[in-house]
Amino acid sequence: GDSVTQMEGPVTLSEEAFLTINCTYTATGYPSLFWYVQYPGEGLQLLLKATKADDKGSNKGFEATYRKETTSFHLEKGSVQVSDSAVYFCALREAARQLTFGSGTQLTVLP
Amino acid sequence: DGGITQSPKYLFRKEGQNVTLSCEQNLNHDAMYWYRQDPGQGLRLIYYSQIVNDFQKGDIAEGYSVSREKKESFPLTVTSAQKNPTAFYLCASSPQGRGAMNTEAFFGQGTRLTVV
Repeated sequence: GDSVTQMEGPVTLSEEAFLTINCTYTATGYPSLFWYVQYPGEGLQLLLKATKADDKGSNKGFEATYRKETTSFHLEKGSVQVSDSAVYFCALREAARQLTFGSGTQLTVLP
Repeated sequence: DGGITQSPKYLFRKEGQNVTLSCEQNLNHDAMYWYRQDPGQGLRLIYYSQIVNDFQKGDIAEGYSVSREKKESFPLTVTSAQKNPTAFYLCASSPQGRGAMNTEAFFGQGTRLTVV
């Protein structure tokens, strides 16, 4: 079945540091890929998505590129801010089935 | 504004009681989902529904029940059979069908259930 493997957390960075959160997936077909963000005590919000190979999703300075050859969708940001502190979830959706989520990565950014 | 509304935001339950969590959406989505989230952990699927009057068990359905009598509503009942119900519960919805393959799910703000 489908699965998503995310980088283990927690991740702690200083403000303005470079962020990478690794995400790899297993799917039988051609899934769409997503990154969601969850701030404390809230639901999940879509951060970005990519629907086919080599697509790059971007939003709020975050980027991720759909790499079919490595089955990866790593999240990156060039300069993190304290306000980026949250839990980040990688997810995939294949053939209009329900989303499959990774386990989440807690990010803390220190001033 | 379109969206998903979960209520209440906080809920306290005594041992042995059933409680029902509300989830309403006005996005005209066919599919709806319930997830459970425990501290420091990911999301686990409890139940999902792809169409009115039909639903399927997810990975951790034991001790929970749902109904889908209306497209807009997908309430979750946490029964007394659920041994450890304290958790954060998230409802989501998404389009369904051929045109929905690339679409994301939309989430409510969650309900935090505590057994006292």
